[in-house]
Amino acid sequence: KAGVTQTPRYLIKTRGQQVTLSCSPISGHRSVSWYQQTPGQGLQFLFEYFSETQRNKGNFPGRFSGRQFSNSRSEMNVSTLELGDSALYLCASRIGFQETQYFGPGTRLLVL
Amino acid sequence: AQTVTQSQPEMSVQEAETVTLSCTYDTSESDYYLFWYKQPPSRQMILVIRQEAYKQQNATENRFSVNFQKAAKSFSLKISDSQLGDAAMYFCAYRSAVGNQFYFGTGTSLTVIP
Repeated sequence: KAGVTQTPRYLIKTRGQQVTLSCSPISGHRSVSWYQQTPGQGLQFLFEYFSETQRNKGNFPGRFSGRQFSNSRSEMNVSTLELGDSALYLCASRIGFQETQYFGPGTRLLVL
Repeated sequence: AQTVTQSQPEMSVQEAETVTLSCTYDTSESDYYLFWYKQPPSRQMILVIRQEAYKQQNATENRFSVNFQKAAKSFSLKISDSQLGDAAMYFCAYRSAVGNQFYFGTGTSLTVIP
């Protein structure tokens, strides 16, 4: 089975722009979670989607949003980018809530 | 909210030796799951081992084993016969059985010395 894939792998944006990141879960996995990873803060949970519905949400501003499609693919959007949004964004999928998460390789976002 | 603490930002071990990474967590729940994930320099996060809180027996996966002390809320990872490929950032994670959300520690960077 193919693993979790994320596109793009690297991205450079400037302050004020917006960005959309994509995540394709492992086939059959219905849950997709997003995390922001920075050297100082570690992994911080952004949100989780299951069957196209947001089930959990972390403590991030409204500039961070997401959605999930009927094929379980998920997108994350960050509007009005700030320098502090520079991070590795990780996506993880699992079959259901009772299962283990499997991570993608991440998208490294650099905001200049 | 649950918190996960990894008090060792960096650790090093000689090749073929044994190293133990520490993790403590804070929760009022009785049912939960604990994980150790490994993130090599390539950045792909990989599951190392998983422990169900209701199981008293410590989980083992080849050279990796855990010491789960539920009362002390401690979940350490032991790596035996360390190999160069074990060099990575290791994250301890807690998953609530109720909300099902994952909580991660800040990670321990493990260096393996040849």
